[in-house]
Amino acid sequence: EPEVTQTPSHQVTQMGQEVILRCVPISNHLYFYWYRQILGQKVEFLVSFYNNEISEKSEIFDDQFSVERPDGSNFTLKIRSTKLEDSAMYFCASSLGGGAGNTIYFGEGSWLTVV
Amino acid sequence: GDSVTQMEGPVTLSEEAFLTINCTYTATGYPSLFWYVQYPGEGLQLLLKATKADDKGSNKGFEATYRKETTSFHLEKGSVQVSDSAVYFCALPPAGTYKYIFGTGTRLKVLA
Repeated sequence: EPEVTQTPSHQVTQMGQEVILRCVPISNHLYFYWYRQILGQKVEFLVSFYNNEISEKSEIFDDQFSVERPDGSNFTLKIRSTKLEDSAMYFCASSLGGGAGNTIYFGEGSWLTVV
Repeated sequence: GDSVTQMEGPVTLSEEAFLTINCTYTATGYPSLFWYVQYPGEGLQLLLKATKADDKGSNKGFEATYRKETTSFHLEKGSVQVSDSAVYFCALPPAGTYKYIFGTGTRLKVLA
């Protein structure tokens, strides 16, 4: 069964450092997403991406964050200057279609620890 | 705005017990409704979904019925197993957006 894959599974970084989280969405999917889950809290939407541009973003997704699809298979989330509060599990997801009713498939997550 | 409310956890049950995890929602229109499951150390997996009122989603012995009149999508299973221990999330996609809104999650622990 096709799946979304993410790397790294766990990364520890110093506060102020840049981090890039990588994802390979399901191959025929067109919509890509990043969510995050701070330990013990709810899953929060960060950004959606379609046709090489951001289609929607949350208030969490400020100038510190950026996304990119550098080639035909990868989808990345960059956090420019990490803060302690960025420590969370980051989930990449993809879907065939966009909008309500389309099923989103999630990767296993990248656990980011900022120290 | 749209929202999802789940019952507080953790829920602790003995094996073969009946499970209900409550989920109610507030939404504009009638969005599709989803249950996702997160097993320990893993990502979110789609468990089941329903796309319109009175639809019943089912998978792996779990069921949930889309109830428009009570704005609910409660998750049920007749006989839980230890392997069902996980965190369960109710979710919906608000109309006109690309995102999902998730409930806070309900942790289920099943004891042998």
